[in-house]
Amino acid sequence: GQNIDQPTEMTATEGAIVQINCTYQTSGFNGLFWYQQHAGEAPTFLSYNVLDGLEEKGRFSSFLSRSKGYSYLLLKELQMKDSASYLCAVKDSNYQLIWGAGTKLIIKP
Amino acid sequence: GAVVSQHPSWVICKSGTSVKIECRSLDFQATTMFWYRQFPKQSLMLMATSNEGSKATYEQGVEKDKFLINHASLTLSTLTVTSAHPEDSSFYICSARDPTGRESAEAFFGQGTRLTVV
Repeated sequence: GQNIDQPTEMTATEGAIVQINCTYQTSGFNGLFWYQQHAGEAPTFLSYNVLDGLEEKGRFSSFLSRSKGYSYLLLKELQMKDSASYLCAVKDSNYQLIWGAGTKLIIKP
Repeated sequence: GAVVSQHPSWVICKSGTSVKIECRSLDFQATTMFWYRQFPKQSLMLMATSNEGSKATYEQGVEKDKFLINHASLTLSTLTVTSAHPEDSSFYICSARDPTGRESAEAFFGQGTRLTVV
């Protein structure tokens, strides 16, 4: 079966750096996505990786290793507004998005 | 980026009634739209894939007669929850893929609809 694993919850301090990991086993791979979802709202797109390596976009970076079935989202200079759930999703061979359960990130002052 | 609008944002209905949720792509044509359901503290669960001009493809375990999907145009898909029950209370989200834009790999989400059945 298809599976995406990410930690259920993480806590970090304002101003610090946090890394959220995601491992996947899917039937085929056509890209990995990270989304941010605040409580009661729809997810918003953060990043997309289809080739190995690091993609940097402002305070957020995303890394992919296809051989390891592994990705991480790196958030720098954490702000209170970064408190949200972060969803990892993989597009499989049928171009269908398979979603992880999400990681709830709690930012403390 | 592309914009997807979902309406209503929230709705409360009585048990046994039907509720229609609309999903519109505002600045692109979406041949395919997706409907998700999300229960509290859980991940997005794909319910069905809506294809313009043809029948929707439902995921295993989703009752097609209960969750009616219509994709009559390239910019509009609707989800109707028929004979709603309290256990149908959930957050329903639609998404669409813009096949022509740079971000063709992304899923653009509507704002979501919070359905509460009383």
